[in-house]
Formats: sequence, structure tokens, C-alpha cells
Amino acid sequence: EIVMTQSPATLSVSPGERATLSCRASQSVGSNLAWYQQKPGQAPSLLIYGASTRATGIPARFSGSGSGTEFTLTISSLQSEDFAVYYCQQYNNWPPPMYTFGQGTKLEIK
Amino acid sequence: EVQLVESGGGLVQPGGSLRLSCAASGFTFNNYDMNWVRQAPGKGLEWVSYISSSAFIIYYADTVKGRFTISRDNAKNSLYLQMNSLRAEDTAVYYCARDMGSGTDYWGQGTLVTVSS
Repeated sequence: EIVMTQSPATLSVSPGERATLSCRASQSVGSNLAWYQQKPGQAPSLLIYGASTRATGIPARFSGSGSGTEFTLTISSLQSEDFAVYYCQQYNNWPPPMYTFGQGTKLEIK
Repeated sequence: EVQLVESGGGLVQPGGSLRLSCAASGFTFNNYDMNWVRQAPGKGLEWVSYISSSAFIIYYADTVKGRFTISRDNAKNSLYLQMNSLRAEDTAVYYCARDMGSGTDYWGQGTLVTVSS
């Protein structure tokens, strides 16, 4: 099973500043990596897929990069609505499990 | 507008059973693979099960294999999860999520399953 490890567990950043979140896979997943944002009491929502492609309606301040085993989600200028928990997810798909998630990074206001 | 609405959660005793449903609308349901993903209280996300659009291909997480059964009724635009032999560690919010082949692009609001005596 591919294990996804996110760092840091908690990131404290001031509004307007840049946030960089990391995700590492235990073996190569190519570009089969997605990022999700989850706010309290809500379902996760898709931000990035294919490691770097923004989902529909996602602002340009969100960007993803990386391939293989090392991935990064960057939020260029934090807005108040961006403070949430972020999960990476690999979908290399074979062998199952279909998807594995990182443990999440909580982005909090500094 | 794509909508996924889960139902069927509740309180069940250890060893009991529960059937979750997910009603889909706003898209052509029989064109999409679907998933169940769960989240234990205060914890992260765990993929549970996958079913292809035609139901020919089905996968389960090892943690639920042999106890849970995923199914779908394309005529009713509905996804199901039959959960048997429930354990305390199955307590979670269960989400249905549409598969886009490169992740899951739409999620329902979730239904809470609590396994406790």
C-alpha cells in the first residue's frame, strides 16, 4: 500500500502571506496526486488533480507541483477563507486501495 | 448542479448492520464510477470502496473487505453501502464521492454512522 505523508501537521501563516504544504509518497505515484480542502463541518472539496491542474473554479492563488514521490501545494497570498485542513490523495489505482490520503495539514491563522 | 445526498446513518450496536444510500442528481449517473470515503471523528480521510459505472469492477479497503458491500442502481441514480458486522472503529462520517478518474470531484455532505453499545 502506498503511504502518503504530509508535513507539517499544522502550519501557522498570516493572511496575505504564502503557504507551502508538502506531501510525500512512499513510492512513485507519477502525477496521480490530488489536493483537497476541508473546512469544519463540510465535505472535502477538490482543489488540484494531476499534481498541478486546478479544478473548476479554483482561484489561481492555489498551485500544485511535483511528481513521483514529492509534491507541494502553494497558496500564494492567503485569504481568510483559505484557513482549513488540506489533504493530499494518490490515485495510482493499482493495486488497490484505489486511493490513499495523507493525514492532513491544518492551516491556521497566525 | 451536481448533488450527492447520503442517508441511512445512525446508531447501531457492535455486530449490527446498516445500509447507506447516496442519491445522485445533476449528472448522468451511469457514466461515472463512484466511491465511499469515511472520516472518523476528528481524524483524516479513509477510502472505503469503489464501484465502476457498470458495477463490473469493485474494490474494497482491507479494513472493510468481507463485511461491506458496495452496489448501485443506475435506474434509480443511487449508490449503496451495505455494512455488516459493524465495529466501533467503523464509527465515522461516510461520504459518497464521484470518481473523475483522477481523483474525486464531487462529494456528498456525509452521513454519520456510530457503532456503540
